[in-house]
Amino acid sequence: DAKTTQPPSMDCAEGRAANLPCNHSTISGNEYVYWYRQIHSQGPQYIIHGLKNNETNEMASLIITEDRKSSTLILPHATLRDTAVYYCIVRVAGNNDMRFGAGTRLTVKP
Amino acid sequence: EPEVTQTPSHQVTQMGQEVILRCVPISNHLYFYWYRQILGQKVEFLVSFYNNEISEKSEIFDDQFSVERPDGSNFTLKIRSTKLEDSAMYFCASSTTPGPLGNSPLHFGNGTRLTVT
Repeated sequence: DAKTTQPPSMDCAEGRAANLPCNHSTISGNEYVYWYRQIHSQGPQYIIHGLKNNETNEMASLIITEDRKSSTLILPHATLRDTAVYYCIVRVAGNNDMRFGAGTRLTVKP
Repeated sequence: EPEVTQTPSHQVTQMGQEVILRCVPISNHLYFYWYRQILGQKVEFLVSFYNNEISEKSEIFDDQFSVERPDGSNFTLKIRSTKLEDSAMYFCASSTTPGPLGNSPLHFGNGTRLTVT
């Protein structure tokens, strides 16, 4: 019941911006877009989430298209430590579980 | 920054034995979760827990599994009679209450690697 589509893998040069796309064409008005990442076999790490507006925090920026059918996670200056699997998840407001897909494996290269 | 802690980091058990995985959620959080990740596969939802009862569970969470919040700080996952296919990383997570119109992120621990031999 995947609600999101992500490329399986991407590369990025160290120091450059990493732009990770996500398609969620069937998103509903009350569903949030969340991004998590998993470094090696550690627990998933929360990055950012949004509903309609673009969001920015100390880790990343989230750009959501006006029709909300897709979004992009931006890591402004990728480092080697940003190498991880990145998950884009849609989640209904007030709902509490989180369902993970396969994600995008981002490899940051020196 | 507060974090979710899980113990042990690695547990080895024999098939058929009972195992209890332990988690200490973030202190002001009210929702608790267990997920698992079989090696090389995606992170799978098992169960969510709120107000001392299960609020949702997946088809994976069968009668062999149970959860408990025994003392107001710990949150445990028990597997009654382990099978080889229960070998996986088990992640605990917690979140604050989102309210009907809001959302709050889940914060995950670093997991317990369960190996069933």
